[in-house]
Amino acid sequence: EAQVTQNPRYLITVTGKKLTVTCSQNMNHEYMSWYRQDPGLGLRQIYYSMNVEVTDKGDVPEGYKVSRKEKRNFPLILESPSPNQTSLYFCASSFLGGGYTFGSGTRLTVV
Amino acid sequence: KQEVTQIPAALSVPEGENLVLNCSFTDSAIYNLQWFRQDPGKGLTSLLLIQSSQREQTSGRLNASLDKSSGRSTLYIAASQPGDSATYLCAELRGTYKYIFGTGTRLKVLA
Repeated sequence: EAQVTQNPRYLITVTGKKLTVTCSQNMNHEYMSWYRQDPGLGLRQIYYSMNVEVTDKGDVPEGYKVSRKEKRNFPLILESPSPNQTSLYFCASSFLGGGYTFGSGTRLTVV
Repeated sequence: KQEVTQIPAALSVPEGENLVLNCSFTDSAIYNLQWFRQDPGKGLTSLLLIQSSQREQTSGRLNASLDKSSGRSTLYIAASQPGDSATYLCAELRGTYKYIFGTGTRLKVLA
């Protein structure tokens, strides 16, 4: 089944403790992206990648890192999480210019 | 500022009604437009993707249209059902790498 898989689905962590949210797609898509979704603010892009080793900042990149060492994987790294990063996170992928396929989301709480 | 606006923000209708959700965008150089459905706390499910060269797409009871000249897209839902209750998001793709999302229309279909 064609899909985007995110892990974990739920995560509660403490301020400053490094964490990684994984994202993997099995559709051979070139393009992958991370979004966060907050009430009243909608979906905002954090980072995106147009292919292996090609990444760039989205609208809200502060406090996040990404890497794209393989085409299928695009992990999101929070080096020192803070409470304002509590949010619902989505990974998405597509062929360039194609429609998005989204993962199921990761609900992160930073206390 | 590049924006995608969805009106109304919320809508409540009795079961069986036909309804129209609106999406307006400011950039006529649109690449494609995608409609999504999101259930509370869940991921985004793609409903319809309209390429810039197309005027509409249909899937079952759903029909989406695209009018680039007026900067509008509509999602038509025929014979609404309680299971259609969800938030509907439209997203405009500009260039080949970035989707801009609207803030959504929360639909409730009453049995």
